Order: sequence, then C-alpha cells, then structure tokens
Amino acid sequence: GQSLEQPSEVTAVEGAIVQINCTYQTSGFYGLSWYQQHDGGAPTFLSYNALDGLEETGRFSSFLSRSDSYGYLLLQELQMKDSASYFCAPRGGATNKLIFGTGTLLAVQP
Amino acid sequence: DVKVTQSSRYLVKRTGEKVFLECVQDMDHENMFWYRQDPGLGLRLIYFSYDVKMKEKGDIPEGYSVSREKKERFSLILESASTNQTSMYLCASSFKTGGYNSPLHFGNGTRLTVT
Repeated sequence: GQSLEQPSEVTAVEGAIVQINCTYQTSGFYGLSWYQQHDGGAPTFLSYNALDGLEETGRFSSFLSRSDSYGYLLLQELQMKDSASYFCAPRGGATNKLIFGTGTLLAVQP
Repeated sequence: DVKVTQSSRYLVKRTGEKVFLECVQDMDHENMFWYRQDPGLGLRLIYFSYDVKMKEKGDIPEGYSVSREKKERFSLILESASTNQTSMYLCASSFKTGGYNSPLHFGNGTRLTVT
C-alpha cells in the first residue's frame, strides 16, 4: 500500500529556520517532490529529490533518504510570505503520478 | 509560462445533476490530472490521463468519469452529483518524462457546491 505522514501544523517566527518532515511508503518510488500552496491559491512546485542528499534552492532546501523513506523541507530566513501549506508528494512510477497527503500548515509569526 | 485554465472558479449544482468540469492546458503536456481537495484530507487523485483517450483511475474514482478527446483538454464528469462531492477540484498537467521529473502545474481550482 501507500502512506504519507507529515506534521499537520508548524509555527515559527520571522527569520527562523523550520524543518518539515515527511515519511512515506509507496511502491515503485522514483522521487519526492515538495509543493507550496497559499490559502486560496494553486499548489506550486518547490523542489524534487530523486537521489539521497540535500538539494538547495535559495532559502529552501530539501533532503531525501531513500533507505529510510524519509525526506524534509528546510526553510531558512523565514518570511511572512512563507505562511502556506506545504505538501510532500512521493512519485510512484514512471507516469509521474504524485501522491499528496494532507500537508503541513506553516504559520510564520512576526 | 505554463497556463492551466479551469473553466469555472465557482459552481453550484443540484443533487442528481450531471456536472462537467473543464480543464485546458497550453504547454502540450501529455499528462493531465484531476484532484479534489478537502479540509483535513488534503489532495486526493481522482483520475489521470497520460495521453489522448487514455485514462487511469486514481485513489477515489467512484462517482466520477473523465474524457480526454484532445491533448490540451481534460474533462471531469460527475454523472449524478451528490452532496459529498462538494469540494475544491484541482486540475494539473505535466510532461510524461519517464525517469526524469516534470513538475505538476495546477489550475486555480473550481469550488463546486452540490445542494
């Protein structure tokens, strides 16, 4: 079967660093994507990890450990505009079908 | 810029009506997807299509069907709408990349209310 776990809510202050963890179980795993969704908006792509290790894109980094079926999204120098829901989405198969979970609601406070 | 356009932002239908949700993308993407998003349940895949006239069931296909007659257009059909289909419906598209990643591009969603 397939399963996905990430925290439902995280709160942090401006300028801080926050890590959103994701554990997954899926057959035919290809890689792990992260998406951001602001309230009332469409999900937008942030990052993708196919191999173990850290991928950095500006203030955001994403990590994957395939052997542990675990990944995380690291957000640095938090800004108010980072308040959004963040979804990890494992890709199971060559068809690019992604499994989204319930996401993590990040609230950044001044 | 990739554009995924959903025909309606808000839709109100009555129980038992046949409902069509339309999605058009302009990037020549092979893959198209329909998700629904509900509070506490996240995004759940209803159907996806990897080519014209091709479709596969997602996790929650019951009560829905789809149509992909042209590459750029993917329609979600509720044969007989029910109140438990009240939800936000999100369409997405991507390239068919095999082993490589192709991000999903989402439309802005259609909020459907069935009364």
